[in-house]
Amino acid sequence: GAGVSQSPSNKVTEKGKDVELRCDPISGHTALYWYRQSLGQGLEFLIYFQGNSAPDKSGLPSDRFSAERTGGSVSTLTIQRTQQEDSAVYLCASSLAGGRGETQYFGPGTRLLVL
Amino acid sequence: AQSVTQLDSHVSVSEGTPVLLRCNYSSSYSPSLFWYVQHPNKGLQLLLKYTSAATLVKGINGFEAEFKKSETSFHLTKPSAHMSDAAEYFCVVTVYNFNKFYFGSGTKLNVKP
Repeated sequence: GAGVSQSPSNKVTEKGKDVELRCDPISGHTALYWYRQSLGQGLEFLIYFQGNSAPDKSGLPSDRFSAERTGGSVSTLTIQRTQQEDSAVYLCASSLAGGRGETQYFGPGTRLLVL
Repeated sequence: AQSVTQLDSHVSVSEGTPVLLRCNYSSSYSPSLFWYVQHPNKGLQLLLKYTSAATLVKGINGFEAEFKKSETSFHLTKPSAHMSDAAEYFCVVTVYNFNKFYFGSGTKLNVKP
């Protein structure tokens, strides 16, 4: 079946512009996660959605970052007033129910470059 | 607090020789542990996971890992490396009741012919 998809695959933007990154999780998965993979900094958790519960936003690095998930499916990560340090690969993952030890299935990522 | 330490940023082995990628974890709760692999320009793929069942876990492509609570380790091994194993490997820990992944910094495996 289809895996997690993300769009765009690459995004180049100018400093100060807003960007939107999209994630389509695996159908039927109620849990959705966003991570950021920065050069030299590894993978860091950003935000977690589980069903209709309030999202865990504890990993968002600043208030320029926000995310929403509409209808319990597609999610959009928005970065406002982008900075050069926002350049990274943004990964989305989904899992069946967000339970302990569940496998997370990752999308291919969106590579963001802020000039 | 939860964290993962991958002890080697780079490992180089010859094809056909054993692979050992080291991972130590810190967790306040009974952990779930994963190994993921990322090939160049590809997404993260699950190799194997430990979730409090058997301590020796077998994964895909001949990889296995052993959970050792006394050593807080979850090292990844493979008896014989293949050229296609060249990739970056991530050790991951999650807490008991929340599936947020904490990633190690990654180990790049190079396989020499």
